[in-house]
Amino acid sequence: AQSVTQPDIHITVSEGASLELRCNYSYGATPYLFWYVQSPGQGLQLLLKYFSGDTLVQGIKGFEAEFKRSQSSFNLRKPSVHWSDAAEYFCAVGGIQGAQKLVFGQGTRLTINP
Amino acid sequence: EAQVTQNPRYLITVTGKKLTVTCSQNMNHEYMSWYRQDPGLGLRQIYYSMNVEVTDKGDVPEGYKVSRKEKRNFPLILESPSPNQTSLYFCASSPERGGVLFFGEGSRLTVL
Repeated sequence: AQSVTQPDIHITVSEGASLELRCNYSYGATPYLFWYVQSPGQGLQLLLKYFSGDTLVQGIKGFEAEFKRSQSSFNLRKPSVHWSDAAEYFCAVGGIQGAQKLVFGQGTRLTINP
Repeated sequence: EAQVTQNPRYLITVTGKKLTVTCSQNMNHEYMSWYRQDPGLGLRQIYYSMNVEVTDKGDVPEGYKVSRKEKRNFPLILESPSPNQTSLYFCASSPERGGVLFFGEGSRLTVL
């Protein structure tokens, strides 16, 4: 069965510092991978996705993620965070086989120190 | 504006009182689904629908019903709500199987 693990429940970084949020997945075939962001009181917004091709994908708001098949990982990075990046981040895995279904990780809450 | 609209956004109810959370999308998407979000558990899928009159269970369907009579609407029905259904609920739609999900803003439900 598909599963997604986000090892860090809560991360705090200083404004301007670099950020890496970890995501590991378990999936029997080539996965579709996603990162979503949830600002307080809001729904989820897609940051970026990986379906195939270049393993380094660029997203909105200056985020990027790298798919590493050998490590079953899809870590999210940003070189310099802004206070507005404070939110909860969810990694998700899906696939073309079967029904339309995404499996989400538990989420990582990001706090930004001024 | 392309969007997924859920109503109500907030609801407090009592055990056993039937309620419906509506979901409507204006993007002509075939796929729609319902998730619940609970602290430490992320989002878990309740039901999904691949097209009109085609629905199937997700990971946590117990206590919920859905229907898909029209392409744009996918209501979530709690026939007899219980306190363990207190949660934040999200409706989502997608233009394709396995594709990007577009989420509503969420419906926070409290069952006393």
